[in-house]
Amino acid sequence: DAGITQSPRHKVTETGTPVTLRCHQTENHRYMYWYRQDPGHGLRLIHYSYGVKDTDKGEVSDGYSVSRSKTEDFLLTLESATSSQTSVYFCAISEKWREDEQYFGPGTRLTVT
Amino acid sequence: GESVGLHLPTLSVQEGDNSIINCAYSNSASDYFIWYKQESGKGPQFIIDIRSNMDKRQGQRVTVLLNKTVKHLSLQIAATQPGDSAVYFCAENAKSGGGADGLTFGKGTHLIIQP
Repeated sequence: DAGITQSPRHKVTETGTPVTLRCHQTENHRYMYWYRQDPGHGLRLIHYSYGVKDTDKGEVSDGYSVSRSKTEDFLLTLESATSSQTSVYFCAISEKWREDEQYFGPGTRLTVT
Repeated sequence: GESVGLHLPTLSVQEGDNSIINCAYSNSASDYFIWYKQESGKGPQFIIDIRSNMDKRQGQRVTVLLNKTVKHLSLQIAATQPGDSAVYFCAENAKSGGGADGLTFGKGTHLIIQP
């Protein structure tokens, strides 16, 4: 793994509760991404960041928000978790935009009951 | 090939044989492609990439072939080993349909190595 950690690795939460997932990198890469992975779908982009305090929406951003206050940390928040947000969440980093490999973290398995 | 349902296509090969995994990409504007390997319970791991100005690139035991005419990408794994068992998926760098900017990922193929 390219110096990417995610926390927590597993979480079970109840519908309606807020949840924050953390991604931490030690590579000093500019770009950071949050994806979700579900059966029958490829990885789908939720939000991404192109610098400190610079973020934008991805394909499936509804119900999620992000923040990046430091180069190394990218937070994903579910303001009010729903069962449809049960998924495996992956953080990724890259040096360049769209022409560079993305390195992935180990993932967070989130279950919303 | 790519999955259109809940179950991934599966490729089963004998240990020591060569494997070929295929991917049909969607956007003729894509000019950068990546193959990833994902083992159960782990994050995707970069294997090899190729840019559109090439039609072949080789790595250690892996070769990626790109056919832009038919928008097809393949990953060849030589002398497969038990550790090669995983889901393999491709990614392209152009938008797919209404997708967001960035990489677009395929759903993957499950490679099973038979002893």
